[in-house]
Amino acid sequence: AQTVTQSQPEMSVQEAETVTLSCTYDTSENNYYLFWYKQPPSRQMILVIRQEAYKQQNATENRFSVNFQKAAKSFSLKISDSQLGDTAMYFCAFMSAWGGAQKLVFGQGTRLTINP
Amino acid sequence: DAGVIQSPRHEVTEMGQEVTLRCKPISGHDYLFWYRQTMMRGLELLIYFNNNVPIDDSGMPEDRFSAKMPNASFSTLKIQPSEPRDSAVYFCASSLEAGRGRSEKLFFGSGTQLSVL
Repeated sequence: AQTVTQSQPEMSVQEAETVTLSCTYDTSENNYYLFWYKQPPSRQMILVIRQEAYKQQNATENRFSVNFQKAAKSFSLKISDSQLGDTAMYFCAFMSAWGGAQKLVFGQGTRLTINP
Repeated sequence: DAGVIQSPRHEVTEMGQEVTLRCKPISGHDYLFWYRQTMMRGLELLIYFNNNVPIDDSGMPEDRFSAKMPNASFSTLKIQPSEPRDSAVYFCASSLEAGRGRSEKLFFGSGTQLSVL
């Protein structure tokens, strides 16, 4: 079974700083998807960014980018020029691309606080 | 589209009572998922459906939990009898079947906060 590990339960940075959230995963599969979801206090799960394992190029969405290291099974999220609205729980998630099993396996989450 | 709709947003009940959580997925989506979120265990997949058929219910904690999807636009998660340890946020999510140019992205509802006293 796949597992996802986020080793940083909490992080805190000043507004406008850059912050990197760590995520490692374990799988024997070669093709899969990786995601970062944001959960603000409103509780809504919001997709931040996704990566397809067969693509070597790291995904980027505005201030959010990932460092995908397939051999190391590492998938970190970098938030540049952090804003107060980035304060939230961040979840790393894995989805197999095999056999129609489209279920997400989540890490335990990292609580990120952006301080003014 | 209004997105995935869950009801109620909050539910407070007493131990032993039956609880029913409801979900309306996005129209046209092939998959529906029920997740539970707690501080101790994080986000856990309870069960998911494909074209209204349960595919994997290995995450359902015990027989007190049951889920149904009578049609493509409605699903329920029932707990009978409820216990204080069932207190959690329950999320429903839906998605299209990946491939053929479609996205595997999951769309989540706003969740139901369940408190069992």
